[in-house]
Amino acid sequence: DSGVTQTPKHLITATGQRVTLRCSPRSGDLSVYWYQQSLDQGLQFLIQYYNGEERAKGNILERFSAQQFPDLHSELNLSSLELGDSALYFCASSVVGGGQSTGELFFGEGSRLTVL
Amino acid sequence: AQKITQTQPGMFVQEKEAVTLDCTYDTSDPSYGLFWYKQPSSGEMIFLIYQGSYDQQNATEGRYSLNFQKARKSANLVISASQLGDSAMYFCAMREKRYNTDKLIFGTGTRLQVFP
Repeated sequence: DSGVTQTPKHLITATGQRVTLRCSPRSGDLSVYWYQQSLDQGLQFLIQYYNGEERAKGNILERFSAQQFPDLHSELNLSSLELGDSALYFCASSVVGGGQSTGELFFGEGSRLTVL
Repeated sequence: AQKITQTQPGMFVQEKEAVTLDCTYDTSDPSYGLFWYKQPSSGEMIFLIYQGSYDQQNATEGRYSLNFQKARKSANLVISASQLGDSAMYFCAMREKRYNTDKLIFGTGTRLQVFP
């Protein structure tokens, strides 16, 4: 158990719809990352938050948005869904800025989104 | 830009044999970190091993070792005494640290299948 919690684990929805994925980081971790893994592909970095502020953006579509709340949990909002958005969405957290930190990411179990 | 390359889409190994999964990287940073993660069919991402660029010795964690060749920019994962439970996707990743962000970038992965 990594200590990172993601909900829901599975989600099936239709094209054009909007969904929200939720992530609770490990206790004490200030940084949250979202990654997308499409079928049989690697992990693509979407966005990073640190203590409530956006730190970096990767290949995140304009239809997608995220935020990190004061209690450090994060939500990834996906709107106007398309078939190609079907993927496994991972949340990860880390201790950023710690002197002994290697930068290791601790991953949740992922949210598998299927768009029909 | 930093880049991770895994050139083996798939590998087969017989149980109890050793196997090497290749990973090369490209970076201009003098200090960096390299990771290997395992993703079984259930989907979760499991951290296996870490190597810092200034570490004098190759990292080892149980049956996993990292063959780090800095001059060649390679960080191959060696799994000794393979087990059926080692069948999974394996991802190599590199830490990318910039003034405002600290994240991992991933390779495309290698699917390892262990047969009896």
